Amino acid sequence: AQTVTQSQPEMSVQEAETVTLSCTYDTSESDYYLFWYKQPPSRQMILVIRQEAYKQQNATENRFSVNFQKAAKSFSLKISDSQLGDAAMYFCAYRSVGNEKLTFGTGTRLTIIP
Amino acid sequence: DTAVSQTPKYLVTQMGNDKSIKCEQNLGHDTMYWYKQDSKKFLKIMFSYNNKELIINETVPNRFSPKSPDKAHLNLHINSLELGDSAVYFCASSQGIPGELFFGEGSRLTVL
Repeated sequence: AQTVTQSQPEMSVQEAETVTLSCTYDTSESDYYLFWYKQPPSRQMILVIRQEAYKQQNATENRFSVNFQKAAKSFSLKISDSQLGDAAMYFCAYRSVGNEKLTFGTGTRLTIIP
Repeated sequence: DTAVSQTPKYLVTQMGNDKSIKCEQNLGHDTMYWYKQDSKKFLKIMFSYNNKELIINETVPNRFSPKSPDKAHLNLHINSLELGDSAVYFCASSQGIPGELFFGEGSRLTVL
């Protein structure tokens, strides 16, 4: 079974600085998808960024980018120019190809210091 | 106009009662889900339906029964509620892009 590990329960960053959230996963599959989801205090989960394992290029969405290291099974999220609205729980997630199930990590709570 | 809406948002009830949470999506998606988030914020899938057909049924007690009357609705009924059922239950839908789920705001269930 696939597992997703987020080793940082909490992180904090100064506004306008850059922060990196870590995620590792365990799988025997060669093709899969990885995601970062954000859960602000309002509770509603929002997709931040998505990576397909067969793509070597790291995904980027505005201030959010990932560092995907397939051999190391590592998938970190970098947030540049942190803003107060980035404060949230961030969840890393894994999905097999052809399977609707998302497996989530335990989350990292990100605090933005003004 | 809310894309995925759940009702009620908060539910407080006694052990042993039966309760339902309703979910509706207006995105035209074929696939809907129920996820459970426990007090430690851990999210786990419970069920998934594709066009009213059950496609994922994780190891969930029989007391939980999903029902999809049409592809825009996925309701969750829980019988004989237990203390351990206290959690936030999220409904979500998806279509096309693998893993891109649209979540509702969650329904916080508290069992006393």
